[in-house]
Amino acid sequence: EVQLVESGGGLVQPGGPLRLSCAVSGFTFSSEAMSWVRQGPGQGLEWVSAISGSGSTTYYADSVKGRFTISRDNSKNSLYLQMSGLRAEDTAVYYCAIGLYQLDYWGQGTLVTVSS
Amino acid sequence: QPVLTQPSSHSASSGASVRLTCMLSSGFSVGDFWIRWYQQKPGNPPRYLLYYHSDSNKGQGSGVPSRFSGSNDASANAGILRISGLQPEDEADYYCGTWHSNSWVFGGGTKLTVL
Repeated sequence: EVQLVESGGGLVQPGGPLRLSCAVSGFTFSSEAMSWVRQGPGQGLEWVSAISGSGSTTYYADSVKGRFTISRDNSKNSLYLQMSGLRAEDTAVYYCAIGLYQLDYWGQGTLVTVSS
Repeated sequence: QPVLTQPSSHSASSGASVRLTCMLSSGFSVGDFWIRWYQQKPGNPPRYLLYYHSDSNKGQGSGVPSRFSGSNDASANAGILRISGLQPEDEADYYCGTWHSNSWVFGGGTKLTVL
């Protein structure tokens, strides 16, 4: 059974850093690209970032480029999102999902709240 | 980058069929895109339903009933999600999305109410 479990969310002050993790199981992690998608309160879906299976290629939305860094550790079956320079508009539930062109499975999400 | 426009809400009776639209912005042709559809119920993550590019290039998500289907409306330059035999549990938000120029674009979502 495919499982994705996000963690690391919480309350952070504007300008602060936060690191999200996504632990996966039930599939060959290193063979799959992975993505982060967020959803602000009462809002729609916004793609954030993606990474190839090997980790050699990364993609970012313009809204987070230069502030967020996606990475993965295939030996630990884990995906990460290092966030810095956080803004109020980054407040959202952050989901990790399997895939690049097609987001097949999603985790339950972790809530990030940026507020002073 | 294309913009995907979805009606904010739609309602239909139980047992009916419904067409949810995902209109592509001017300058882009729906026939050039692979449109994905996602269902999201309150408090849950999105669930992948299906993708549609053409009648010969389409796919259903794992475990997704065949009463969910995709198509294109070239005259409206829109992707279509059709749900037949509407059931109460189909009440949800539906998002279309596509990967283009190394990023994802999502529509704003349609809230489907089953009467």
